[in-house]
Amino acid sequence: ETGVTQTPRHLVMGMTNKKSLKCEQHLGHNAMYWYKQSAKKPLELMFVYNFKEQTENNSVPSRFSPECPNSSHLFLHLHTLQPEDSALYLCASSQDPTLNYGYTFGSGTRLTVV
Amino acid sequence: DQQVKQNSPSLSVQEGRISILNCDYTNSMFDYFLWYKKYPAEGPTFLISISSIKDKNEDGRFTVFLNKSAKHLSLHIVPSQPGDSAVYFCAARGGLRGSTLGRLYFGRGTQLTVWP
Repeated sequence: ETGVTQTPRHLVMGMTNKKSLKCEQHLGHNAMYWYKQSAKKPLELMFVYNFKEQTENNSVPSRFSPECPNSSHLFLHLHTLQPEDSALYLCASSQDPTLNYGYTFGSGTRLTVV
Repeated sequence: DQQVKQNSPSLSVQEGRISILNCDYTNSMFDYFLWYKKYPAEGPTFLISISSIKDKNEDGRFTVFLNKSAKHLSLHIVPSQPGDSAVYFCAARGGLRGSTLGRLYFGRGTQLTVWP
């Protein structure tokens, strides 16, 4: 356990379904991130939240909707996804983007869209 | 436009030998560099880092070298062990100004396989 917990670990959903991914950290970190990892591609930053405020949306389609109710929890709401959205979705947190700390990642949610 | 590049998707090394993983970057404003290690079905975990004001950082079997003029860094693992088999991601931190504040940019990763 890294201190960042993601649920579920695996998710299979149809293109018309609505589902949510959950991320939780109790490390006292101020920033939380959603990353997408597709096969043979670099980690793609999707969203950044700093002190619960979204500070970056990296041109992500609206079928992905993030929510950060507090600095410990981060959600990614999914609806009408496409098969190409199948990927490993990683949540990460960091104490302060301005400090020399890297990110702490969760184990990810393996999403398959059928 | 990818700012951090790992041009070798895979590397195979015999146990006990040195593993050298390479990473190139394009943005001279990056101020901090990190290596992450990822096992299957797990998230990346932090391995070692180096500030842009240094050219070497060592932690046990792991050493990271930074050549700023060439915009190149490398991770050396000596001696390599089978348990080191994983995907290694290079990451660079955007400078502490503007929209890149603290943001990490990742390479595609290199799959290291250490065989007995």
